Amino acid sequence: GENVEQHPSTLSVQEGDSAVIKCTYSDSASNYFPWYKQELGKRPQLIIDIRSNVGEKKDQRIAVTLNKTAKHFSLHITETQPEDSAVYFCAATTSNTGNQFYFGTGTSLTVIP
Amino acid sequence: GAVVSQHPSWVICKSGTSVKIECRSLDFQATTMFWYRQFPKKSLMLMATSNEGSKATYEQGVEKDKFLINHASLTLSTLTVTSAHPEDSSFYICSASGKYEQYFGPGTRLTVT
Repeated sequence: GENVEQHPSTLSVQEGDSAVIKCTYSDSASNYFPWYKQELGKRPQLIIDIRSNVGEKKDQRIAVTLNKTAKHFSLHITETQPEDSAVYFCAATTSNTGNQFYFGTGTSLTVIP
Repeated sequence: GAVVSQHPSWVICKSGTSVKIECRSLDFQATTMFWYRQFPKKSLMLMATSNEGSKATYEQGVEKDKFLINHASLTLSTLTVTSAHPEDSSFYICSASGKYEQYFGPGTRLTVT
């Protein structure tokens, strides 16, 4: 089955700096890669996703890159703000209805004002 | 995105009692729902996949007789923690599967005393 690894487990950055979180996956059949943000005690919220036919996707300060050959994808947050502080999870799956998501172990991001 | 509700949001029960958690997809039909358990500062651990009209598929190590899952309709799945013990205390989150995304419920904080 799929195995998703995520690094780093914790990340602290100064406000305004960039943050990068990296994930690797093992199953070449995976073709959908979402990123979730979870604040303490709340549900994970989808912040950006990418499909395997695209190498990069950007939404304002958030971007995701995908390298299918190397089987890794990364989340980039620019101009970080204190409200970006949360736990971020990557996931991989095949984009068929009902397929389970394989989650990374999470990255706790702290943005220092 | 789609809306998934979970009830109750938190519950405290005595050891030995059973607790039922409901997961509803409010604005779409979900043939597949997932149940996760999450420990503090940890990733989402998939417990089982709930398929409408059929038996749930449990992950290795999850006791199906302890965590009863019923998916009687396309909008409702329930998780019943039977004979709860303090070690069952956790944050339980459900999700409903869309075409690509998973839509998460807000979670249920279970505390067993």
